[in-house]
This record gives sequence, structure tokens and C-alpha cells, in this order.
Amino acid sequence: GENVEQHPSTLSVQEGDSAVIKCTYSDSASNYFPWYKQELGKRPQLIIDIRSNVGEKKDQRIAVTLNKTAKHFSLHITETQPEDSAVYFCAAMDSSYKLIFGSGTRLLVRP
Amino acid sequence: DTGVSQNPRHKITKRGQNVTFRCDPISEHNRLYWYRQTLGQGPEFLTYFQNEAQLEKSRLLSDRFSAERPKGSFSTLEIQRTEQGDSAMYLCASSWVGLAGEQFFGPGTRLTVL
Repeated sequence: GENVEQHPSTLSVQEGDSAVIKCTYSDSASNYFPWYKQELGKRPQLIIDIRSNVGEKKDQRIAVTLNKTAKHFSLHITETQPEDSAVYFCAAMDSSYKLIFGSGTRLLVRP
Repeated sequence: DTGVSQNPRHKITKRGQNVTFRCDPISEHNRLYWYRQTLGQGPEFLTYFQNEAQLEKSRLLSDRFSAERPKGSFSTLEIQRTEQGDSAMYLCASSWVGLAGEQFFGPGTRLTVL
């Protein structure tokens, strides 16, 4: 079955710097890759996603890239702000439409 | 509120008791998923429904766990004879099959088994 690995587990950046989180997946049949942001005690919130027919997608300060050949995808946050501090999860949708999540990255943006 | 809702938000129970959680998905969504999340980990898939049919169950789901979605709308997750290891956040998510993705999560039910 699908397996998703996520790095780093923690990331500390200065406000205004960029942050990059990387994930790899194992099942070449996976074709949908969402990213979720989870603040302490709250539900995971979908912030951006990408499908396998696209290599990159941007939404304001957030972008996701996908390399199908290497089976990895990344989240890029530019001009980070303190409110970006949270745990970020990547996920891959397997052939039976369920999400397999990475283990999460705790992002801290220092003011 | 038109998002996914879950009740109760918190449940404290003693080991050996049965508990039941409810999830109300976004009204036009026909897929409903249950996940379990422990501290510091990503959500783990438990089971999912398309309309009223339960299409897949994780190997994580022991026979003490049962889920239903009787009319293809809300769903319930029951845990019988709870164990301390069942303590976790139980998350529900829903999606529309036509988009094959975009799962939206509820606020979760935090279960503590004493």
C-alpha cells in the first residue's frame, strides 16, 4: 500500500523567510496530493492540493510542486508570517480514494 | 455552519465502556471518512462510506469498532469495550466523489479512556 514520508519534522524560520517541506510517496498510482494545516486543538484545514497532471500550483504565498518520476512533492511558503506557525501534513490519495498522511512538520515562524 | 460537524467534541470514559460518536458531513458530499489521530502523528485512515455502503476498513479497525451510515447522510462510529490505547482524536471527513479528492475535516471528537 501507499506510504508517505515527510521531512523535516520541525522547521524554524525567521519571519519573512521561506519555508519548504518535502514529502515522498511510494505508490505510482496515487494521483492527488493535498496539504493540510493544523493549528493546536483544531481540525486539519486544506490549504492547497495538486493533481498528478500538473507540476506546480500556486496560491498567493503558498505553492506546491510535484515530481511524478521521483515520486516527491513539496510545499513552499514564501514571506512567512507568525500566523503560519502550525503543523503541516502532506497526504497522498491511493487507488481506493483514501488519504495516506505524512507524519507532519511543526513550523515555527519567529517574529 | 455548512461544514462537517462532529459530536460530542470531547468524551471521557472508563475502560470497558462503549462509546458512540456522530459525524454530519457537508450535505452534498456522498463520501464520508473516519480517521484517528494520536498526538504528534498524522491522521490514520479507519474506514469510509460512499453513500450508505462501507467500502473499506483499515486493518487498524479491530472488531470492537463498528461504523454505520444508515441513510447515506450522518455516520456513527462505535467503540465497544474501550481500552486506554483507544484514546485519540477521531476525525471525520467528507468529499464529493466527482472531485476524487478534497476531503474536508470536522473538528473531531477527543476520546480519553481512563
